[in-house]
Amino acid sequence: NAGVMQNPRHLVRRRGQEARLRCSPMKGHSHVYWYRQLPEEGLKFMVYLQKENIIDESGMPKERFSAEFPKEGPSILRIQQVVRGDSAAYFCASSPSGTGSSGTEAFFGQGTRLTVV
Amino acid sequence: AQSVTQLDSQVPVFEEAPVELRCNYSSSVSVYLFWYVQYPNQGLQLLLKYLSGSTLVKGINGFEAEFNKSQTSFHLRKPSVHISDTAEYFCAVSERQAGTALIFGKGTTLSVSS
Repeated sequence: NAGVMQNPRHLVRRRGQEARLRCSPMKGHSHVYWYRQLPEEGLKFMVYLQKENIIDESGMPKERFSAEFPKEGPSILRIQQVVRGDSAAYFCASSPSGTGSSGTEAFFGQGTRLTVV
Repeated sequence: AQSVTQLDSQVPVFEEAPVELRCNYSSSVSVYLFWYVQYPNQGLQLLLKYLSGSTLVKGINGFEAEFNKSQTSFHLRKPSVHISDTAEYFCAVSERQAGTALIFGKGTTLSVSS
């Protein structure tokens, strides 16, 4: 069973461009979480999705950021008109059921490191 | 909403010494508690978790953690560390209700030297 797959591993974008980060959850997992990691800030929760639904997006900036998890295909985190401050590592995690409903662990991908130049 | 505080940002220790990484949480409801480890340029890997029952939880690589409800703590311990334990360690909490995600602390960098 392959783990959580994120691509690309590294992404370089110029200011003003769009960044698309992809996450394929583990087989059988319908819950996906996105986190952003900055040095010395730990992992900040961004959004929690469950197949076609956004469960919690309280950690996602209101502008320029969006996320989806369609019925078919990977989850996508989209950042429009990127700025230097968007440079960070973005991690995706998945679980078979919600971490809060059953205490199941979340399995993490290796992250996408976004650099805005 | 829940929150996690990891009291030490960096912990340097010598090989074979014991170590404790501290974690305190805040929540208005019951929680599940987790410790994850992150090696350089890698994703996070689960070390152990507390769901219910015995307050002492054993995990992988010789780590253990103790849940203390009165002190709202979940400290991670290892009696004898190895060079290979050098990594960043994250404490996380999830409220015991549907629709909640893991919330992480800022992490503790454990540096083991010989």
